[in-house]
Amino acid sequence: AQSVTQLDSQVPVFEEAPVELRCNYSSSVSVYLFWYVQYPNQGLQLLLKYLSGSTLVKGINGFEAEFNKSQTSFHLRKPSVHISDTAEYFCAVSDQETSGSRLTFGEGTQLTVNP
Amino acid sequence: KAGVTQTPRYLIKTRGQQVTLSCSPISGHRSVSWYQQTPGQGLQFLFEYFSETQRNKGNFPGRFSGRQFSNSRSEMNVSTLELGDSALYLCASSLAGAYGTQYFGPGTRLLVL
Repeated sequence: AQSVTQLDSQVPVFEEAPVELRCNYSSSVSVYLFWYVQYPNQGLQLLLKYLSGSTLVKGINGFEAEFNKSQTSFHLRKPSVHISDTAEYFCAVSDQETSGSRLTFGEGTQLTVNP
Repeated sequence: KAGVTQTPRYLIKTRGQQVTLSCSPISGHRSVSWYQQTPGQGLQFLFEYFSETQRNKGNFPGRFSGRQFSNSRSEMNVSTLELGDSALYLCASSLAGAYGTQYFGPGTRLLVL
């Protein structure tokens, strides 16, 4: 079984400032890692994913994340945020060894970008 | 390519009733998964269907069921609704063997009174 912990439930930040949203995971098997974003009254949109290879992953809207296997972390970063980045962000993992698609999500981090 | 579509978008039911939600996956995607999102429990996996067969199942009571048709469209059914079933129900589709990458629909918001 896997579990995901997002260390901050809310992150307020000013426009054009950098931001980091933290995610740690626990799993007895290898996992794939994902970050999704959810805007109000919408579904989830995939920001980026780590499947294998380079531990630094670049996604849409200027976001990137770094996979750290020793610390079992997958933190999301953006060097300069915009008002439009205000949304809820979810970190998720998928078991590499089980066939099929099943995501285990963290509790979410509400990012609020203030002018 | 059209995204994942879910119908209806909003639904109000009363306790004890049953409800059926529909999901049409992205063209070519054969896997459909369902998730429940609530403020208290967050995002929880309900089940996944692939080629009309349930491939994975989460920890939900038997009142929650689903099926998938030959065109990959999926439905989920909740019988004997309870107040706690009020939630946003999200459907996601993926290619077979796509390393878990899923694409989500806008969801169906169910309110049980």
